[in-house]
Amino acid sequence: DAGITQSPRHKVTETGTPVTLRCHQTENHRYMYWYRQDPGHGLRLIHYSYGVKDTDKGEVSDGYSVSRSKTEDFLLTLESATSSQTSVYFCATWQDPNYGYTFGSGTRLTVV
Amino acid sequence: AQKITQTQPGMFVQEKEAVTLDCTYDTSDQSYGLFWYKQPSSGEMIFLIYQGSYDEQNATEGRYSLNFQKARKSANLVISASQLGDSAMYFCAMREGRLGGGSTLGRLYFGRGTQLTVWP
Repeated sequence: DAGITQSPRHKVTETGTPVTLRCHQTENHRYMYWYRQDPGHGLRLIHYSYGVKDTDKGEVSDGYSVSRSKTEDFLLTLESATSSQTSVYFCATWQDPNYGYTFGSGTRLTVV
Repeated sequence: AQKITQTQPGMFVQEKEAVTLDCTYDTSDQSYGLFWYKQPSSGEMIFLIYQGSYDEQNATEGRYSLNFQKARKSANLVISASQLGDSAMYFCAMREGRLGGGSTLGRLYFGRGTQLTVWP
């Protein structure tokens, strides 16, 4: 199922550098989300979008920004990466109230 | 306070046996949804089952069923006839709020997960 594509799949970056993760969907879903997954924490919401140019913060948004200029693309930017942002990042979309999210394959980001 | 609590960091079950993974939730909303996801070692997140707060019947999807006890605020996942391929991390999640409208629509809260190991 290639409905959601995350890029890159893996990235190693240095502390202090900006990083942008991309989520691209072909489902025409209105709602899109960025989560991070860390051991012992499950998945935590970073930012979400409920339409083009409509975004809002989640519970762990500090140090992150997002943009959504088209329905199909939702970008997550780490303005100045820190080691605490080493994580697996998942993008998800959602459309049907009685169904779960559709998740991307995840991006493993390591900040050294 | 945690909105979703999964108290079992790890569970073990023998192949072909049934297993129950616990999940309790905390919400003051009358309308909400409960979800279970499976994450195998390959990392992808797979949606398993959904239960709405107004659904009177427990949800079932093949070998998966959700034991929904509203008064106790629990939404346990039951896997019948476990298979080796069921070995994975399982996450319980909740969506709060009524359907329709609002920017928070669709936001999910996840528990910390239960690692299930199925042995032959």
